[in-house]
Amino acid sequence: SQELEQSPQSLIVQEGKNLTINCTSSKTLYGLYWYKQKYGEGLIFLMMLQKGGEEKSHEKITAKLDEKKQQSSLHITASQPSHAGIYLCGAQTLPSGNQFYFGTGTSLTVIP
Amino acid sequence: DSGVTQTPKHLITATGQRVTLRCSPRSGDLSVYWYQQSLDQGLQFLIQYYNGEERAKGNILERFSAQQFPDLHSELNLSSLELGDSALYFCASSAAGSGAGELFFGEGSRLTVL
Repeated sequence: SQELEQSPQSLIVQEGKNLTINCTSSKTLYGLYWYKQKYGEGLIFLMMLQKGGEEKSHEKITAKLDEKKQQSSLHITASQPSHAGIYLCGAQTLPSGNQFYFGTGTSLTVIP
Repeated sequence: DSGVTQTPKHLITATGQRVTLRCSPRSGDLSVYWYQQSLDQGLQFLIQYYNGEERAKGNILERFSAQQFPDLHSELNLSSLELGDSALYFCASSAAGSGAGELFFGEGSRLTVL
């Protein structure tokens, strides 16, 4: 079973639209990470969240961590074709120890 | 460029065969993680090594084994290959042995089992 569930599984948006991707953990989060993957390529680190209520932004991407709910959201403002790819959340969840798990992934397509 | 190097990039082999995937971590990183990514299973954690020792185990099959050498490079050995082993295998490295720490991913090794 997946410890990290993401929704939606896929997303198709028009360029310029805002969108949100959610990540929910079945276990306590020990840091939550967001990565982006171009199809068939390696993962690129986006952001790391550690504290409940923490929010970080990079360019047009904002991530938040709601530790109490064991959830995180990734919000993209005014999406661009360059945002297309697969977004994955990752975390080390206690008491699993050192295993670093990833979510199911969200495939984003941005239509010009 | 993440600094993590994986070889080979592509590999085609037959069922029942054995292959070895190699990973060189980012300079200075002591931890190496191996992941398997397939369309139906997503990105699955296999195993982690820290400074030569196995630190954590995930969904790694008994037919698979890994090790980390004194120079910190790691190898993932896949034996008695089955069609279902076809996947993209990623290696990632980090400075931390546990706890918070960004993972740096290689470009992956694409294995096709025919």
